[in-house]
Amino acid sequence: KNQVEQSPQSLIILEGKNCTLQCNYTVSPFSNLRWYKQDTGRGPVSLTIMTFSENTKSNGRYTATLDADTKQSSLHITASQLSDSASYICVVSAGDYKLSFGAGTTVTVRA
Amino acid sequence: DAGITQSPRHKVTETGTPVTLRCHQTENHRYMYWYRQDPGHGLRLIHYSYGVKDTDKGEVSDGYSVSRSKTEDFLLTLESATSSQTSVYFCAISESDTGDPSGTFGSGTRLTVV
Repeated sequence: KNQVEQSPQSLIILEGKNCTLQCNYTVSPFSNLRWYKQDTGRGPVSLTIMTFSENTKSNGRYTATLDADTKQSSLHITASQLSDSASYICVVSAGDYKLSFGAGTTVTVRA
Repeated sequence: DAGITQSPRHKVTETGTPVTLRCHQTENHRYMYWYRQDPGHGLRLIHYSYGVKDTDKGEVSDGYSVSRSKTEDFLLTLESATSSQTSVYFCAISESDTGDPSGTFGSGTRLTVV
């Protein structure tokens, strides 16, 4: 069964600090991996997408890494801001319509 | 959310009544999807469409039906709403003709079944 596990479930960080979120998956075949940011009451918004051959992808202060051999990905948030408070979802695609979603990591940034 | 409108945004309905949620896109994409999101679970696919009148089931399709009579509209119907269908429903589109969802979601419909 295709699964996506995210850790931690939630975390609290102080404004200006960095944090790293983890995503482990067992999806096969693998097409791509996406990180989404979901603000409260809103739909998910794509941050990064990586295919099998890509090891890292950045979007501003967000940097995603992918190790396709170990089936692990991370999302690093640099110099966190209050607006980074959200749920971050790891999504792995097996191609066509088949997406496997992680349950998300809730990040709270405090002043 | 660019190009996708969901309606209504919030709805409270009684058990046993039919409910229809609407997803409207302005960008003429072929693939559209309905998901539900529940606490502690990832988003789960209910149904998807790959063209007008072309639809298929996702992993949690029981109790739901869909219709797509026009490219721009994808309707989700709860035939007889139950409390277990209380959830937040998201519509998504794929900007790829291969059907690989490329990440554009609507703002969601919060449905409460009492």
